[in-house]
Amino acid sequence: GAGVSQSPRYKVAKRGQDVALRCDPISGHVSLFWYQQALGQGPEFLTYFQNEAQLDKSGLPSDRFFAERPEGSVSTLKIQRTQQEDSAVYLCASTNAFQRENQETQYFGPGTRLLVL
Amino acid sequence: LAKTTQPISMDSYEGQEVNITCSHNNIATNDYITWYQQFPSQGPRFIIQGYKTKVTNEVASLFIPADRKSSTLSLPRVSLSDTAVYYCLVALYSGNTPLVFGKGTRLSVIA
Repeated sequence: GAGVSQSPRYKVAKRGQDVALRCDPISGHVSLFWYQQALGQGPEFLTYFQNEAQLDKSGLPSDRFFAERPEGSVSTLKIQRTQQEDSAVYLCASTNAFQRENQETQYFGPGTRLLVL
Repeated sequence: LAKTTQPISMDSYEGQEVNITCSHNNIATNDYITWYQQFPSQGPRFIIQGYKTKVTNEVASLFIPADRKSSTLSLPRVSLSDTAVYYCLVALYSGNTPLVFGKGTRLSVIA
């Protein structure tokens, strides 16, 4: 079946521009995560949704970062007034887990590579 | 969350068995050990998960000693396509909690 998809795959933005990154999770997956991966580093958690509810946004680096999942499926990560330090790969992952005590693996999309000039 | 330590990089020739060891000295009693693989321009992909002793699947084996303070991912007979970054993660639950990745081990397989 179809995996997690993300669009665009690449995005070049001028400093100060707003960007929106889209994630289409695996159909029916309840949980959705956003991660940020800087060059040469492992992914770092940004935010987590269970259905349409944003349960954890502790990883968002500033109030310029905003995520939503209004209908509990597709999610959008928005970055306002982009800065050069926002340049990274933004990964989305989904799982079918809705209970906290769960070892379900997270399925990752290919990521969106954002370059802020 | 338990901190993990693994080698930054490893090199191997094709056809060899590769063992990547991860240290997690402060692993908690109920923590699981999970390994992910990441190819360039792709998201991480689950490889294997275990709690104790040995786990084997079609991709790899995971060896966990009795004290669980380390684990070893074993890749049999690697090929060029196994060149990737391998991450060791330790967590109580992995389905509904954020995954904590370190820098991983960059494996380079050469012909």
